[in-house]
Amino acid sequence: EAGVAQSPRYKIIEKRQSVAFWCNPISGHATLYWYQQILGQGPKLLIQFQNNGVVDDSQLPKDRFSAERLKGVDSTLKIQPAKLEDSAVYLCASSLLGESNEQFFGPGTRLTVL
Amino acid sequence: AQSVSQHNHHVILSEAASLELGCNYSYGGTVNLFWYVQYPGQHLQLLLKYFSGDPLVKGIKGFEAEFIKSKFSFNLRKPSVQWSDTAEYFCAVAGGFKTIFGAGTRLFVKA
Repeated sequence: EAGVAQSPRYKIIEKRQSVAFWCNPISGHATLYWYQQILGQGPKLLIQFQNNGVVDDSQLPKDRFSAERLKGVDSTLKIQPAKLEDSAVYLCASSLLGESNEQFFGPGTRLTVL
Repeated sequence: AQSVSQHNHHVILSEAASLELGCNYSYGGTVNLFWYVQYPGQHLQLLLKYFSGDPLVKGIKGFEAEFIKSKFSFNLRKPSVQWSDTAEYFCAVAGGFKTIFGAGTRLFVKA
């Protein structure tokens, strides 16, 4: 089966610019996650969708980050405006419904903010 | 608040040595526990998981982990590591619709 797809793989922008990341989950996976992984740290959940709805976005900096999942499939994560501390790998993962199900991760997008 | 602690950030072992990576969590409710691995240049992938039943779970590539509820621990073990086990290992805890990852342990196995 095809895995989780993400694009772009790498992005370099200057601070105060905007950037968007795209994720296509595994077909049939109801739950989609966006994580931020800063160098030397574990993935930090930014937002979790279940189908179209948001389950948890408590750690999403809503003044600059936004995410949507149209039609319960693809998702985009946007940062506007970017700050230096946003430099990280942004991971998308998907899973079947339910907490006991494993998450399948995409390759990530490495963002560098200069 | 939910939290996950991995005790070692870097571990260096020789081939055939035994491995134990510690993971402790804090959460008052029912949890599902995972170990994920990221090999160099690859995606994060599941190594093993626990959600109920036998607290000793076996995963891929000879790894196992034991859930000790009284200690809030889910330590990862392997009796004899190989050079190909060089990777970063993450413990993750899912509870209350929230998944928290530990900071990771970077394992380097010397050939």
